[in-house]
Amino acid sequence: KAGVTQTPRYLIKTRGQQVTLSCSPISGHRSVSWYQQTPGQGLQFLFEYFSETQRNKGNFPGRFSGRQFSNSRSEMNVSTLELGDSALYLCASSPRTGWNEQFFGPGTRLTVL
Amino acid sequence: GNSVTQMEGPVTLSEEAFLTINCTYTATGYPSLFWYVQYPGEGLQLLLKATKADDKGSNKGFEATYRKETTSFHLEKGSVQVSDSAVYFCALSEDTGFQKLVFGTGTRLLVSP
Repeated sequence: KAGVTQTPRYLIKTRGQQVTLSCSPISGHRSVSWYQQTPGQGLQFLFEYFSETQRNKGNFPGRFSGRQFSNSRSEMNVSTLELGDSALYLCASSPRTGWNEQFFGPGTRLTVL
Repeated sequence: GNSVTQMEGPVTLSEEAFLTINCTYTATGYPSLFWYVQYPGEGLQLLLKATKADDKGSNKGFEATYRKETTSFHLEKGSVQVSDSAVYFCALSEDTGFQKLVFGTGTRLLVSP
């Protein structure tokens, strides 16, 4: 079974631009969560989607948004990029919400110049 | 709120040495506890988990026991290998029915031959 895939793997953007990251969960998994990893703040939860609905949201500004499609694929969008948004963005999937185990993708490395 | 505290790294060991990485947590309810490992340039891989008090998770020679009385989940391995060099994250899954992991800051392990 294929794992979680994320595209693109690397992105370079400039301040003020917006960016969209994509995540395809493991086949059959319906819950997708997003995390931001930075050297200063570590790993922080962004949001979780299940059955195309946002179930939970972390403490991030409204510039960070996401959505989930009927095939469980998910996208996250960051508008008006700031230097501090440079990070590794990790996507994780689970069979359903409330499941104990999450399976992580390789991440998208975003650099904001 | 819920939190996870890990020992500062890096932890530097010689091959075949005994490993302990300390992890303590603060949580309401009955969280599940996890150890994830991150190799350079990759996402997170689940190493082991425990879902209730006194459970012992184990995988690839690594072990950790869920100690509710000391709110701890220390990671141990009897004999480390160079290939174990990575960053190790302790995490908890909140007992809310939502899919959110709270991570520690990570501990880098360096094993020399």
